[in-house]
Amino acid sequence: AQTVTQSQPEMSVQEAETVTLSCTYDTSESNYYLFWYKQPPSRQMILVIRQEAYKQQNATENRFSVNFQKAAKSFSLKISDSQLGDTAMYFCAFMKLFGWGSNFGNEKLTFGTGTRLTIIP
Amino acid sequence: DVKVTQSSRYLVKRTGEKVFLECVQDMDHENMFWYRQDPGLGLRLIYFSYDVKMKEKGDIPEGYSVSREKKERFSLILESASTNQTSMYLCASAPTRLQETQYFGPGTRLLVL
Repeated sequence: AQTVTQSQPEMSVQEAETVTLSCTYDTSESNYYLFWYKQPPSRQMILVIRQEAYKQQNATENRFSVNFQKAAKSFSLKISDSQLGDTAMYFCAFMKLFGWGSNFGNEKLTFGTGTRLTIIP
Repeated sequence: DVKVTQSSRYLVKRTGEKVFLECVQDMDHENMFWYRQDPGLGLRLIYFSYDVKMKEKGDIPEGYSVSREKKERFSLILESASTNQTSMYLCASAPTRLQETQYFGPGTRLLVL
């Protein structure tokens, strides 16, 4: 079974600063995806960024980037130029690929326990 | 845009009641999921479904059942609600394609008294 660990329950940073959220995972799989999800207060969970394990290049999405270290099983999220709207719970998640009959489909997501990030004005 | 809706944002029920949580998605996704979210525990998968009338147990299925009679609708049922089922319940859907993620509903916060 896969496990995902987020060791920082809470973090806070001044607006415009850079912050890094850590995530480690444990798996014996070689093909998988890693995700960072954001859940703003009282709002819907949305995908921030996704990384395919077979890609060595780190994924980036505007101010969000990851540091994916496959050998170390580490997947940290860096938020640059943080904004007040970045205040949210952030969840790291793991998904392995599997076959379902003749189709490859989504395997279930395994989530970490989350990091509550507060951006201070 | 993908839209996943849940029938209630907040729900208060009494111990022993039968509770139905409804989830509807409008993107013709094959896969649907029910999670519960608790502080310090993250999201844990209760049940999922890869097709109509098909269901699979997740990590914590005890005390729950599900129904998927139509592709767009996935219901979570608490046969006899208990106080330890007080939680936030999140529904998600996803297409059967590689490199896809899951799309989440807004959640239902259930309080069992």
